[in-house]
Amino acid sequence: ELKVEQNPLFLSMQEGKNYTIYCNFSTTSDRLYWYRQDPGKSLESLFVLLSNGAVKQEGRLMASLDTKARLSTLHITAAVHDLSATYFCAVKQGAQKLVFGQGTRLTINP
Amino acid sequence: EAGVTQFPSHSVIEKGQTVTLRCDPISGHDNLYWYRRVMGKEIKFLLHFVKESKQDESGMPNNRFLAERTGGTYSTLKVQPAELEDSGVYFCASSQDYGLATNEKLFFGSGTQLSVL
Repeated sequence: ELKVEQNPLFLSMQEGKNYTIYCNFSTTSDRLYWYRQDPGKSLESLFVLLSNGAVKQEGRLMASLDTKARLSTLHITAAVHDLSATYFCAVKQGAQKLVFGQGTRLTINP
Repeated sequence: EAGVTQFPSHSVIEKGQTVTLRCDPISGHDNLYWYRRVMGKEIKFLLHFVKESKQDESGMPNNRFLAERTGGTYSTLKVQPAELEDSGVYFCASSQDYGLATNEKLFFGSGTQLSVL
């Protein structure tokens, strides 16, 4: 059974700092997703990572994938308050299913 | 273009009652998915429709849950009778063409917060 674990589950940080959210998964997959959710809103797709060594960047967020280590990271650079949200990683299982991590609630303080 | 829409946004019911959640996918999206997040835990897959056909309902927790997608447009998820452990956020998502089997994105709705008292 595929398991996806994120850590930390809660993260409080100051503006301007850097931090990384980790996503470990138990079996290989050909696709890993990062989503962002603001309270009461829908899940917004941030990144899709398709292959080992894939790295994608959008603004202050950078995601990477190491399929051999079964690890993906979401790195936040020089955090700003607007990045406060819950972040989920999800791994594709089979043809049409996503297995999600528990989510990381990120709070960025001024 | 309208996104995935879910109704209601919140529902509070008593144990033993029936609740029906509705999802309107993005127009033209054949693939429709239901997920739920219980007690702040991980978001779990419930089922997947292609048009009106259930392709995978392996995540449905038990026979108190019934999902339908008559006509291949909107979908409903009925819980009857509701139990305390059914409380959580129910998300709907849709995608076009072949969904996750190709490189299509999933578009999620805002979810329905269900509270069973």
